[in-house]
Amino acid sequence: NAGVTQTPKFQVLKTGQSMTLQCAQDMNHNSMYWYRQDPGMGLRLIYYSASEGTTDKGEVPNGYNVSRLNKREFSLRLESAAPSQTSVYFCASSSPGQTRSSYNSPLHFGNGTRLTVT
Amino acid sequence: ILNVEQSPQSLHVQEGDSTNFTCSFPSSNFYALHWYRWETAKSPEALFVMTLNGDEKKKGRISATLNTKEGYSYLYIKGSQPEDSATYLCALGGVYNFNKFYFGSGTKLNVKP
Repeated sequence: NAGVTQTPKFQVLKTGQSMTLQCAQDMNHNSMYWYRQDPGMGLRLIYYSASEGTTDKGEVPNGYNVSRLNKREFSLRLESAAPSQTSVYFCASSSPGQTRSSYNSPLHFGNGTRLTVT
Repeated sequence: ILNVEQSPQSLHVQEGDSTNFTCSFPSSNFYALHWYRWETAKSPEALFVMTLNGDEKKKGRISATLNTKEGYSYLYIKGSQPEDSATYLCALGGVYNFNKFYFGSGTKLNVKP
C-alpha cells in the first residue's frame, strides 16, 4: 500500500520557470490537500479539494493553481516561480468528503517535495 | 486565519525523562484537535484525533488530553527514548470549514541517550 505519493522529491527552478508537483493517493480518499512548510512556521494550506471536481483556496493560494484530475490525483502548478515559493511542499489526503465528519479523519501525508527557486 | 500556538518551540530531555508540551487554540467553534509526529526526513504521521472535551487518548508511552472550554491540549511522553525525537504538530480541524486544518508551528523534541 503506497499511501500518498509525491513527485518529484527535489526540484531547483529559476525565477519565472513553471512546474507541476504531482500527488496521487491509493486509499480511496475524497479530500486532498497541498501544504507548504517554511522554517519557524506551521504547515500552511495552499489549496484543497474536498472531492473530485472541486477545489478551494487555502491560506496562501497566490502564485499557485491546482487540478483534481480524478479521485486519486491532485496536482499543484507554479506558473511563474518566485524565490518566495522556495519551500517544502506536502500533499495530504483524508477519508471523508463534504461532510461534517471530515475533521475527524487524520491526514495522510506524502514524503514532501523540496523546491528551491533561485 | 486562525492562531494555533504550540509551546515550547523546542525541548531537550535526557533518555528516561517524562515530558509534556502544549497546544493552545481559540476555544470557540472547536471541532477536532489532531496531533502528528514528524521525524526528520519523513512525513508527518497522525498520533491522535480528539473531538470531545475531556478526551484522553493513549498510544504506548504517549498520551494526550483535551480541554475545549479553555482551548488547550497537552501531549505527554512517559520515559522518553531517543526514537521519540521528532517534531510534534497539533492541528485544529473543522473550524469555519469542514475540510480545513490549521497547524501550529510544532514542538521539536530532542531526547539525548
